[in-house]
Amino acid sequence: DAGVIQSPRHEVTEMGQEVTLRCKPISGHNSLFWYRQTMMRGLELLIYFNNNVPIDDSGMPEDRFSAKMPNASFSTLKIQPSEPRDSAVYFCASSFGTSAETQYFGPGTRLLVL
Amino acid sequence: GDSVTQMEGPVTLSEEAFLTINCTYTATGYPSLFWYVQYPGEGLQLLLKATKADDKGSNKGFEATYRKETTSFHLEKGSVQVSDSAVYFCALSTNAGKSTFGDGTTLTVKP
Repeated sequence: DAGVIQSPRHEVTEMGQEVTLRCKPISGHNSLFWYRQTMMRGLELLIYFNNNVPIDDSGMPEDRFSAKMPNASFSTLKIQPSEPRDSAVYFCASSFGTSAETQYFGPGTRLLVL
Repeated sequence: GDSVTQMEGPVTLSEEAFLTINCTYTATGYPSLFWYVQYPGEGLQLLLKATKADDKGSNKGFEATYRKETTSFHLEKGSVQVSDSAVYFCALSTNAGKSTFGDGTTLTVKP
């Protein structure tokens, strides 16, 4: 069975450019999470969708970040414009049911903003 | 707000040693508790979980018991192997949509 799929796996871009990260959750899962992991701040929840609706976006750092989930099988996290401090590993995770259930993580996208 | 505090690392053990990684939490309501493991270059994967007080989660020789009275969920393993070297995260999740992770504890097991 396919797990959570993320693309790209690695992204190098220059400051000021737009970055779009993509996620395909596990089929049948109805909750989707975006996380950011850095050495300094650890693992941070950015946004949580349930049934394609954003439930909690309090972790989104600022207006440069936006996330969408147009259907049950696809989500994007966009950073525009990107800054060097956005460099991190971004994980997408999905679960079946509420956020209290086990989350299944993708392999992550390693983003480097120069 | 909710929070998870776990033992600071890194932790270095010899093979077959006993492992304990402490985790305590604060939360409103009744959270589910999790231990996730992350191997280099990979995403987190569930190691074990417990959904109510006094539940014990176990997997691959690891165990943790949901202790409501001490708000703890300590991870233990009787005999670690080199292949257990990884970063371990304690986490809680609530039905309200909030997931909170600890800072992670890096475990290195030497042969």
